[in-house]
Amino acid sequence: LAKTTQPISMDSYEGQEVNITCSHNNIATNDYITWYQQFPSQGPRFIIQGYKTKVTNEVASLFIPADRKSSTLSLPRVSLSDTAVYYCLVATYSSASKIIFGSGTRLSIRP
Amino acid sequence: DAGITQSPRYKITETGRQVTLMCHQTWSHSYMFWYRQDLGHGLRLIYYSAAADITDKGEVSDGYVVSRSKTENFPLTLESATRSQTSVYFCASSEPTGLAGGPGFFGPGTRLTVL
Repeated sequence: LAKTTQPISMDSYEGQEVNITCSHNNIATNDYITWYQQFPSQGPRFIIQGYKTKVTNEVASLFIPADRKSSTLSLPRVSLSDTAVYYCLVATYSSASKIIFGSGTRLSIRP
Repeated sequence: DAGITQSPRYKITETGRQVTLMCHQTWSHSYMFWYRQDLGHGLRLIYYSAAADITDKGEVSDGYVVSRSKTENFPLTLESATRSQTSVYFCASSEPTGLAGGPGFFGPGTRLTVL
C-alpha cells in the first residue's frame, strides 16, 4: 500500500508559483499519481494525473522524477481562489480498495 | 443534468435508526465509490463497486451496507446509525480506462448527523 506524505499546510501570495510535494516511497509499478483539489463543503475535484516525467494541463503541472518516489504539483500564478486543500493519491484500479486519500495540504493564498 | 448527485444533502437522525444515502451518476461509469470525511481529516473509503452487482469493502466498511442493482445508482445504508458515523459522505465515480488510479468525479456530499 503506497502511503503518501504531504506538508500539512502551505502559505503563498497571489501571482506566485506554488509547488506542493508528495512523498510516496513504496509506490508500485502499476500505480498512478493523482492530485485533487477540495474547497470547503464540496467534493474533491480532479486536477491532474501522471505516471512518470511531466504532465501539464490548463491548470497545473505534475513533475514526477525517474524513481517515482515523490511527485510535485505546480500551480502557476496562484490566485485567492486557489485556497483549498490539495490531496495526493497513489493508486491503481487493480486494487481499488487501496485507493486511499492522505490528509492533504491546506494551501492558503494571501493578497 | 449530467453529473453525479447525492441525496439528501443534509440529514439528521437518531442513534439506532437505519439511514440510506443515495448516489446517482449519469455517465454510466463502471466504478463507483463511497467515502467519508470527518472534520479535519482526509477521505476514507467505505465501499466501492466495479460494476453492477459487484461491490467490495474499503477500509471502514463496518456498519455500512451497499447495493448496486443498476449501473447508475449506488446507495449506502447505515444499518443502525451510531454517533461515530456522523460525517460528510461523498460518492464518486470513474471509468478505469479514462482515469487509472483514482475517482474521477465526486458528488457534492451528504452531511449526516447522528444524535
